[in-house]
Amino acid sequence: DVKVTQSSRYLVKRTGEKVFLECVQDMDHENMFWYRQDPGLGLRLIYFSYDVKMKEKGDIPEGYSVSREKKERFSLILESASTNQTSMYLCASLGGGPGQPQHFGDGTRLSIL
Amino acid sequence: SQKIEQNSEALNIQEGKTATLTCNYTNYSPAYLQWYRQDPGRGPVFLLLIRENEKEKRKERLKVTFDTTLKQSLFHITASQPADSATYLCALDDNYGQNFVFGPGTRLSVLP
Repeated sequence: DVKVTQSSRYLVKRTGEKVFLECVQDMDHENMFWYRQDPGLGLRLIYFSYDVKMKEKGDIPEGYSVSREKKERFSLILESASTNQTSMYLCASLGGGPGQPQHFGDGTRLSIL
Repeated sequence: SQKIEQNSEALNIQEGKTATLTCNYTNYSPAYLQWYRQDPGRGPVFLLLIRENEKEKRKERLKVTFDTTLKQSLFHITASQPADSATYLCALDDNYGQNFVFGPGTRLSVLP
């Protein structure tokens, strides 16, 4: 079974802080994704990566950056956290060719005070 | 822009009945349509996939239909149980996952 591990289940930070969210997958998948999930808005794609050191903006990249230095690890960075970035953040991985499902971690519930 | 709608934010049904959830989309030509289950505080978990050239797919008590003319998928849970209570998400994939789009989800409650 694919395992996607997010470093923290809950995180509380202050406005203006630089925040790092880490995600590791164990299946050698090429593609990795960061989403945020808010009530009534569903899952919104922030960034994705289809290979090491490659990244593509999703629908809502403003205020975020990402890093993929190793295939198994995909990091989301909030450069200067703001209260409107309080949300559930979900990481996913995808591999194995067309039509495969995404595999999700259990999420990080981030609160910015 | 691409848009996915799921029939309602919440659906309550009685145990033993069939739950039917709807997923409608516009401005998209998916190669695949997927359904996921999400429990509170957890990430979504994949349930079923159906290809654009398939009309119906079954897995145990689950059935998915896909009508590319209507741009709609129906997700059925037969003989529903309280343990089926969760949020169900549909997702569209054009081919290689780089244009994956999720619906907002329907929260299903199966009442004993």
